[in-house]
Amino acid sequence: DVKVTQSSRYLVKRTGEKVFLECVQDMDHENMFWYRQDPGLGLRLIYFSYDVKMKEKGDIPEGYSVSREKKERFSLILESASTNQTSMYLCASSGEGGGNQPQHFGDGTRLSIL
Amino acid sequence: RKEVEQDPGPFNVPEGATVAFNCTYSNSASQSFFWYRQDCRKEPKLLMSVYSSGNEDGRFTAQLNRASQYISLLIRDSKLSDSATYLCVVKKSNFGNEKLTFGTGTRLTIIP
Repeated sequence: DVKVTQSSRYLVKRTGEKVFLECVQDMDHENMFWYRQDPGLGLRLIYFSYDVKMKEKGDIPEGYSVSREKKERFSLILESASTNQTSMYLCASSGEGGGNQPQHFGDGTRLSIL
Repeated sequence: RKEVEQDPGPFNVPEGATVAFNCTYSNSASQSFFWYRQDCRKEPKLLMSVYSSGNEDGRFTAQLNRASQYISLLIRDSKLSDSATYLCVVKKSNFGNEKLTFGTGTRLTIIP
């Protein structure tokens, strides 16, 4: 079974702090993704990466950056956290091969910015 | 207009009934289609892929209508454990771009 592990289930930070969310997958997947999920808005893609050191902006990258130094790890960084970044953050990974490759999600990190 | 649109529900359905959801997508270049299931406070999990000819997995049947740009999910003989939010998901191209677009989900509650 694919395992995607996010470092924290719940996190509380203060406005202005730099926040790191970590994600690790154990299936040697090329593609990794960061989403946020908010009521009424569904999942929205923040950033994704299709290879080590490669990154692509998703639909809502403002206020975020990412890092992929190793294939198995994809980090999401909030440079200066703001209250509107309070959300559920979900990491996902998928293999190469196109077609109907599904994305496998981690348990999510519920982040609160005070 | 949203790229993927779903009726948010909620659908409250008695146990044993048949329930169907539809989803429409706006980009005719979409190539791959999925239904994901998300339980309350849990991560989304793939329920099934949707193929052009339609496909069935036990009590679940998925259909794709490319001409009208909609996808459907049918659940027969619904169980209490089917209560969840069902997410319609599309992908624009098969190769080189693995980005998915999610609908906001349809909430289903099965009533005993």
